[in-house]
Amino acid sequence: SSELTQPPSVSVSPGQTARIACSGDALTKHYAFWYQQKPGQAPILVISKDTERPSGIPDRFSGSSSGTSVTLTISGVRAEDEADYYCQSTDNSDTYVFGAGTKVTVL
Amino acid sequence: QLHLQESGPGLVKPSGTLSLTCGVSGGSISTINWWTWVRQPPGKGLEWIGEIYHGGNTNYNPSLKSRVTISVDKSKNQFSLRLTSVTAADTAVYYCARVGGTYGSGSRHFDHWGQGTLVTVSS
Repeated sequence: SSELTQPPSVSVSPGQTARIACSGDALTKHYAFWYQQKPGQAPILVISKDTERPSGIPDRFSGSSSGTSVTLTISGVRAEDEADYYCQSTDNSDTYVFGAGTKVTVL
Repeated sequence: QLHLQESGPGLVKPSGTLSLTCGVSGGSISTINWWTWVRQPPGKGLEWIGEIYHGGNTNYNPSLKSRVTISVDKSKNQFSLRLTSVTAADTAVYYCARVGGTYGSGSRHFDHWGQGTLVTVSS
């Protein structure tokens, strides 16, 4: 099955921009989705279909796509954005694949 | 507002069977959506287990397929997970979720999640 690769961690100061990349062959044919997960909580969808922001998600969250990679960007990072972030897509067998997750630390 | 709630034993013995149910409220399970289970071992990432459509069609993660059964009870608006021959490696928080997107479109994702339930495999 396909794999999605993310960096294990990203550190950013408040007010700065955090960028998390996710790469994999599946992304050339299928959309990527991004989830935010805070400790003890279920994941929530923050970016849909590579670039779309679901209702209720702050506009400091954005997504972009290029070839075999996608990027989640958090602009003007706040302390409340500290969390784990997972990318997700589907493969040709219509099964789901997750990246290993990226821990965003707000310094 | 759609709400999903997992329920079931929090402790299962090794070689036993893990059984969980996901109750759906605020909406019908008999929609165009599929319904799914995802798990997360302590301190680790997310793993997709399988999914079901209200008509009974299922898809499973190939790595778990031989041990997993997902079923649906439309009369109770719920779906269930059964995982056999469990080991300590199956200890995880188990989430149920609704699948968004169109089947076969490459746009499928998880748009509503339950709060999750921790299942520990231990004697």
